[in-house]
Amino acid sequence: AQSVTQLGSHVSVSEGALVLLRCNYSSSVPPYLFWYVQYPNQGLQLLLKYTTGATLVKGINGFEAEFKKSETSFHLTKPSAHMSDAAEYFCAVTLNTGNQFYFGTGTSLTVIP
Amino acid sequence: NAGVTQTPKFRVLKTGQSMTLLCAQDMNHEYMYWYRQDPGMGLRLIHYSVGEGTTAKGEVPDGYNVSRLKKQNFLLGLESAAPSQTSVYFCASRSGRERNTEAFFGQGTRLTVV
Repeated sequence: AQSVTQLGSHVSVSEGALVLLRCNYSSSVPPYLFWYVQYPNQGLQLLLKYTTGATLVKGINGFEAEFKKSETSFHLTKPSAHMSDAAEYFCAVTLNTGNQFYFGTGTSLTVIP
Repeated sequence: NAGVTQTPKFRVLKTGQSMTLLCAQDMNHEYMYWYRQDPGMGLRLIHYSVGEGTTAKGEVPDGYNVSRLKKQNFLLGLESAAPSQTSVYFCASRSGRERNTEAFFGQGTRLTVV
């Protein structure tokens, strides 16, 4: 089955610094990929998603992700971290059939003032 | 537009008790999912449904049952709760028209089994 791996369960950055959250997928067929954000005691909210054709995907709140087939990666970035970005971030993938929707283990982002 | 609504939001059960979590969506979505979220393990898929009257097992189905009698509702049942089922449960729905459609989530149900 397809899966996603998120490297680093905790990431800390200074306010204004680059945010880089890593996601790698395991599949011989490029899947559809998503990034979600979860603020404390809330549900998950879509940040962005990958659709065929555009390898650089822009999302909400200044986040973007680049799909790299050669590296089987879909890393999430933001040029300048804000305090409000502190949250849990999840990478997700759909299977070939599109029925199931699997998540990585998540990365908790801390932003240091 | 309510989106995805989960009830209840909090519940405490004693070991061996049963309960049903309700998920309702008003977006006419075909697909619905139940996940559990535990620290360090992300969201794990319990069961899912691709349409009214259909259900399928996910990664961690043991100890849970589901039903999708109406398109807008997806019920998760615990017949005999165990402490290992203490978790936060999330329901999600998505359109089944294309593979790249995103899932919409409820606010979660925090369940404690004592």
